[in-house]
Formats: sequence, structure tokens, C-alpha cells
Amino acid sequence: NAGVTQTPKFRVLKTGQSMTLLCAQDMNHEYMYWYRQDPGMGLRLIHYSVGEGTTAKGEVPDGYNVSRLKKQNFLLGLESAAPSQTSVYFCASSYFRNGEQYFGPGTRLTVT
Amino acid sequence: KNEVEQSPQNLTAQEGEFITINCSYSVGISALHWLQQHPGGGIVSLFMLSSGKKKHGRLIATINIQEKHSSLHITASHPRDSAVYICAVHMGTSQGNLIFGKGTKLSVKP
Repeated sequence: NAGVTQTPKFRVLKTGQSMTLLCAQDMNHEYMYWYRQDPGMGLRLIHYSVGEGTTAKGEVPDGYNVSRLKKQNFLLGLESAAPSQTSVYFCASSYFRNGEQYFGPGTRLTVT
Repeated sequence: KNEVEQSPQNLTAQEGEFITINCSYSVGISALHWLQQHPGGGIVSLFMLSSGKKKHGRLIATINIQEKHSSLHITASHPRDSAVYICAVHMGTSQGNLIFGKGTKLSVKP
């Protein structure tokens, strides 16, 4: 089992460009999350999903969109990247609502 | 106002020392997690607990629900324990998302 994978691992964007981050899990987990990690701050929730076809906003959703068309995949989109979105993005998944979360390796995004 | 506070922010220890990292939270929770983030960036779950104490190898985690406080202890510390240790909580009303502390950066010198 691969667990939770994220692609790409690194990306540099220019302001205004768009991109999609892909998170995939092979553990049949219902719950999936996108977090961002910035220096001096704890991880913060961007969006989450409680099952296939569902998404909801987290703490810092502005500038991002998500989709969960298949249970195993959770996509995070940036329509018009801004320097404030420079961060490390982590995807996580869990089987139970308040269960152990499994994290992907992270995507380091730089917006210039 | 941070809902999850960790102390200390940074900790340097000599190999073999006993280490304690503290976590306090201000909200009702259903579970508390201790996570480890190595310099390469990957995040691994160490413990999930809602009461009492758990032990895994040289790591021990305790929680006091009444005092809203948890501790992570490392016995006989080793340089490979050098990492950022993160406390995170599931709030009782959450949809499963975690609220994170800012982390404690531990460096163990040989």
C-alpha cells in the first residue's frame, strides 16, 4: 500500500497562474483534508471532505477550490496563484471522523 | 488566541536525557494527537489518546482531561529523535479536522 501520495512534490508558479495538487489514498478512507503549513504557524485546514462527492470549507479556504469526484482522490486547485499562497501543502486522510490521520509527504509551492 | 499551546518552542538536549514536551488546550476535545515531523518534512502520527497514558518504545504520552493538558516524554533520547513534535486536537464538534499547535523543535546532540 502506498498510503497517502501527493503530486507534485515541488512547484514554482508565477502570480496569476493556476495549478492543481493531487492527493491520492489507497486505504479506503472516507475523510480527507488539505492543510497548509507556514513558518511560525501550526498547520491550518483549507478544505476537507467527509466522503465522495462532498467538500466543505476549513479555516483558510479563500483562493482555493477542491473536488472529490472519486473516493480515493482529493484535488486542491489554485485558480489564480498569489504570493501569499507560498506554503507547504499537506493532504491527510482518516477512516473515522476523529481517528488517526495519515499524512502525505507534502507539496512545496512557491509563488513568485 | 491559540487553542493549542505547546512548550517549549525549541529544546536542545544531550543524548540520553529525559525529555518532556507540553501541550495545553482551551476547548473541549474528543482526542489528542502527538505527531512527529522530521527535517525532510513528512508527518507521522505517534499517539492518539483521549485519556490516561500510552507508551511506545521510548515514547510516553499522557493526558489530563480535567486540566486540559498533555505531555510527551522521550526517555534515553537519541540524535535520531531530533524532529518537530506537534500536538493536535480533535474538537468535540469537529468534522474530523485537527487543530494544531505550532510545534516543538527538538535537537538532541550526541
